[in-house]
Amino acid sequence: EVQLVESGGGLVQPGGSLRLSCAASGFTFSGHWMHWVRQAPGQGLVWVSRINDDGTGKAYVDSVEGRFTVSRDNAKSTLYLEMNSLRAEDTAVYYCARRDASGSYAFDIWGEGTMVTVSS
Amino acid sequence: DIVMTQSPDSLAVSLGERATINCKSSHSLLLGSDNENYLAWYQQKPGQPPKLLIYWASTRKPGVPDRFSGSGSGTDFTLTISSLQAEDVAVYYCQEYYNTPYNFGQGTKLEIK
Repeated sequence: EVQLVESGGGLVQPGGSLRLSCAASGFTFSGHWMHWVRQAPGQGLVWVSRINDDGTGKAYVDSVEGRFTVSRDNAKSTLYLEMNSLRAEDTAVYYCARRDASGSYAFDIWGEGTMVTVSS
Repeated sequence: DIVMTQSPDSLAVSLGERATINCKSSHSLLLGSDNENYLAWYQQKPGQPPKLLIYWASTRKPGVPDRFSGSGSGTDFTLTISSLQAEDVAVYYCQEYYNTPYNFGQGTKLEIK
């Protein structure tokens, strides 16, 4: 079964750090670009970051640029999001999503998400 | 950045009736080199992650019921549910995947009238 499972969320104080993981299974992880998307409570979807298949190309939404770092370990089929200098406005469910490699480029598989709460 | 604007914000439709959701982008999503519109539609039910319904503006993902259809090109797009079923209650999002930051529309909440 094709699956993405996020972990690493939790409660962190403003200014703190957290590292999210996304474990992939059921497909060739190294063949897909991957994304992080977040959703604040009761709000819409916001794209956060993406990384290409070999990890050499990365992009971020302006609001996290310089604070968040995306990475991947293809040997472990795992995607990461290192989050530093966290702010209250980073509070959200964080989803990892797979970019379809068969031609559509849309986000065809999503994990269930992990909740990050930034609060004192 | 490309701004994605959906309308309406919420919609109530009777079971068996047609539901139509619009999405407008601030920049054309039609890439000339492959003549495709880089526009996707997602469905999100409460407590669940988003689910891809439509890509390339009008191509239904395998397994998605054929009552869901997408249309449009350039900057104006539409998601249509031809005959609303109870299980279609959800929030629907359009998304451009033409260029980062791959913006989503604000979402349209679809309910039963």
